[in-house]
Amino acid sequence: EPEVTQTPSHQVTQMGQEVILRCVPISNHLYFYWYRQILGQKVEFLVSFYNNEISEKSEIFDDQFSVERPDGSNFTLKIRSTKLEDSAMYFCASNGGRGVVGSQPQHFGDGTRLSIL
Amino acid sequence: AQTVTQSQPEMSVQEAETVTLSCTYDTSENNYYLFWYKQPPSRQMILVIRQEAYKQQNATENRFSVNFQKAAKSFSLKISDSQLGDTAMYFCAFIKAAGNKLTFGGGTRVLVKP
Repeated sequence: EPEVTQTPSHQVTQMGQEVILRCVPISNHLYFYWYRQILGQKVEFLVSFYNNEISEKSEIFDDQFSVERPDGSNFTLKIRSTKLEDSAMYFCASNGGRGVVGSQPQHFGDGTRLSIL
Repeated sequence: AQTVTQSQPEMSVQEAETVTLSCTYDTSENNYYLFWYKQPPSRQMILVIRQEAYKQQNATENRFSVNFQKAAKSFSLKISDSQLGDTAMYFCAFIKAAGNKLTFGGGTRVLVKP
């Protein structure tokens, strides 16, 4: 069964540095997402991406964050000037997007654990 | 804005027995979808079951079934014949029909004991 894959599984970065988290969504999917889960807290929506542009973003997704689909397969989340509070598990997800978008289950990757020192 | 609440932080169940996880939500939407996701220690988020709000019939998926009460805004998950592999964090999630983002509850940790 096709899967969403994320790399790296664990990223350790010094505060203030930039980090790029990478995701390969399922190949025929049209909608892409990033979520964040701070340790012990809820999974929170960050951003959705469709047709090469952001379709929705949360309050968390400020100018520090950006997303890109640089080629036909990768979907990246860039975090500039990382802060200690950016430490979290970051999940990428995708769905087929055909028909009613909310009806399509989002398929999640294994996540990238980001640790800011 | 939508909110999703899971009132049970942790539950344990003996292998082969049944456990029910509660989930309530708040929304003014009439058309939406509800999901249960499982997150085992391996941390991947796995879809367990999906319910369409306009369907009265409760969804079932093998040993997993839901009790969807739209008027009460309740969406509980029943795991029957619990197996050791069911040990995981379970998240309830809501999405508007035309929506992009899943809103998650805080999760319930389920421990299946041999």
